Amino acid sequence: DGGITQSPKYLFRKEGQNVTLSCEQNLNHDAMYWYRQDPGQGLRLIYYSQIVNDFQKGDIAEGYSVSREKKESFPLTVTSAQKNPTAFYLCASSGGGLADTDTQYFGPGTRLTVL
Amino acid sequence: AQSVAQPEDQVNVAEGNPLTVKCTYSVSGNPYLFWYVQYPNRGLQFLLKYITGDNLVKGSYGFEAEFNKSQTSFHLKKPSALVSDSALYFCAVRPQRGYQLIWGAGTKLIIKP
Repeated sequence: DGGITQSPKYLFRKEGQNVTLSCEQNLNHDAMYWYRQDPGQGLRLIYYSQIVNDFQKGDIAEGYSVSREKKESFPLTVTSAQKNPTAFYLCASSGGGLADTDTQYFGPGTRLTVL
Repeated sequence: AQSVAQPEDQVNVAEGNPLTVKCTYSVSGNPYLFWYVQYPNRGLQFLLKYITGDNLVKGSYGFEAEFNKSQTSFHLKKPSALVSDSALYFCAVRPQRGYQLIWGAGTKLIIKP
């Protein structure tokens, strides 16, 4: 978990609310990622960013939004359009670059529950 | 479609015995292969990776993995299991072209004293 922080650890959302999950890294990595983890499934990619001010949709981007204004920060907003947001959210970072083979390193995660 | 399979949802091993967690993949080209471990309510921790070279890769906490190109497998192994190895293990594959990881569904490893 070292070098990547996520907050809060637990988050509760009411129906119709937008919430923002924080992800910060001090590893000087270019690339950052957001994943969603549901029980019995592997990780699913929501969004990723290879450089500042640029990001791409992953496999399940609908109902989510991101920004990458700073190299070290990649916040994820779960909007009211996400119909089933209860899940464990993981942020990761890696060295970056298309030919990069660097490992992705993960934060401790945020558990989001819809009330 | 490209995919990663971890055929066992759960593996049970007695402490001190060798363990194997299986991973097979269907990805074109020469992919990069990874193993991660996850403890309850925690993020994933990197264990080891195969990029090229020797088929046997050594990683953290005494784990190793063997790459078999003909069988498209990358099984995780440890000669002597510890109770503290009990966790959820994920195999991931990155196609040679691209940078997204394709993830297996995970295998729960239970080491009994």
